[in-house]
Amino acid sequence: GIQVEQSPPDLILQEGANSTLRCNFSDSVNNLQWFHQNPWGQLINLFYIPSGTKQNGRLSATTVATERYSLLYISSSQTTDSGVYFCAVEPGYNQGGKLIFGQGTELSVKP
Amino acid sequence: KAGVTQTPRYLIKTRGQQVTLSCSPISGHRSVSWYQQTPGQGLQFLFEYFSETQRNKGNFPGRFSGRQFSNSRSEMNVSTLELGDSALYLCASGTGGASGEKLFFGSGTQLSVL
Repeated sequence: GIQVEQSPPDLILQEGANSTLRCNFSDSVNNLQWFHQNPWGQLINLFYIPSGTKQNGRLSATTVATERYSLLYISSSQTTDSGVYFCAVEPGYNQGGKLIFGQGTELSVKP
Repeated sequence: KAGVTQTPRYLIKTRGQQVTLSCSPISGHRSVSWYQQTPGQGLQFLFEYFSETQRNKGNFPGRFSGRQFSNSRSEMNVSTLELGDSALYLCASGTGGASGEKLFFGSGTQLSVL
């Protein structure tokens, strides 16, 4: 099956710093989503981005489907950005609701 | 619009017991999928329901089952609990397209098996 690899596994930043999180996937996918898991366990959907670039405030994401990777950019990080970031892919058509998750990047932003 | 609601938030059970978890999707959403999150295996897909029918299934034993009601609410059942079933169980809500849709997750049910 499809493998999803995220890097780095852990990241410690000082408040105000920028960061780039990477997601590689081993095969063609139908869509890709980025999530942030908050300290209470809830997964917050940040981006639905099968291809191209999207921006939402200090966060932006780029997916290059032909090269099988996606990047999540966090600028001017804040302590509230701390948590685990996951990318997840839908492995094929007619797999709605089924996502394959990477192992996550645990981000800690220090004041 | 209310988000995805999962109940209960916490559960403690002993080995051999069974448990039922509940998920109410976002109003108007017709798809509910379930995921198990553990420190060792990460987030893994259990199954997905759409219009009261299981549409996709992950690689979990038959002790894990689910169903969906006509109002799109879903329940997940685990029978004969094992210690390894201790996990955060998350459900996700979607409009129900065959593919390519954004999913919204609830806060999960934390199950501890003693």
